Amino acid sequence: QQPVQSPQAVILREGEDAVINCSSSKALYSVHWYRQKHGEAPVFLMILLKGGEQKGHDKISASFNEKKQQSSLYLTASQLSYSGTYFCGTEISSGGSNYKLTFGKGTLLTVNP
Amino acid sequence: DAGVIQSPRHEVTEMGQEVTLRCKPISGHDYLFWYRQTMMRGLELLIYFNNNVPIDDSGMPEDRFSAKMPNASFSTLKIQPSEPRDSAVYFCASRDRGGYTFGSGTRLTVV
Repeated sequence: QQPVQSPQAVILREGEDAVINCSSSKALYSVHWYRQKHGEAPVFLMILLKGGEQKGHDKISASFNEKKQQSSLYLTASQLSYSGTYFCGTEISSGGSNYKLTFGKGTLLTVNP
Repeated sequence: DAGVIQSPRHEVTEMGQEVTLRCKPISGHDYLFWYRQTMMRGLELLIYFNNNVPIDDSGMPEDRFSAKMPNASFSTLKIQPSEPRDSAVYFCASRDRGGYTFGSGTRLTVV
């Protein structure tokens, strides 16, 4: 049930772009993206609902391909503050109108000056 | 809004002792989740509640783990007896219709 993320780690120079991918073998209700800095809690970035939408704020955006059960997170013109571990979370039905969120293993993003 | 509040922030206990972790969700959030994070296993969903009712506890590792939500503003995760392999960061999260808001976590060390 756990989604698969790739790559496991990325090292960038400030200003470079990155793409993080997430795929699932299950039919998804939604995909979430979170960023976690060392020693802190995961912080919500965005949610994408089934329907093949794309969202974004600032220079971070994401897409969700419902047919392929895949999502990608796009970070453009990276900043030092983007460093952290990025998790995708996939929501699947738990029965009825209840859904549970399962996280991938994370992608460690390091942005260097 | 104070966010999701967890206590304690750190807990060190001896093997065999009972441990109780506490969580206060954001007011108005219907769902509450307990996750455990380790380097090896990542973020694992243990159990979640909807309107104080446990919906899915399939992630609870053993009978030593139990969780309750007696009212909309309080939940506990109890481990009895604790073992060294329970050492991890335990997060509580709540949500309404959007994303999940995580508490700061409880770092549990069982020696």
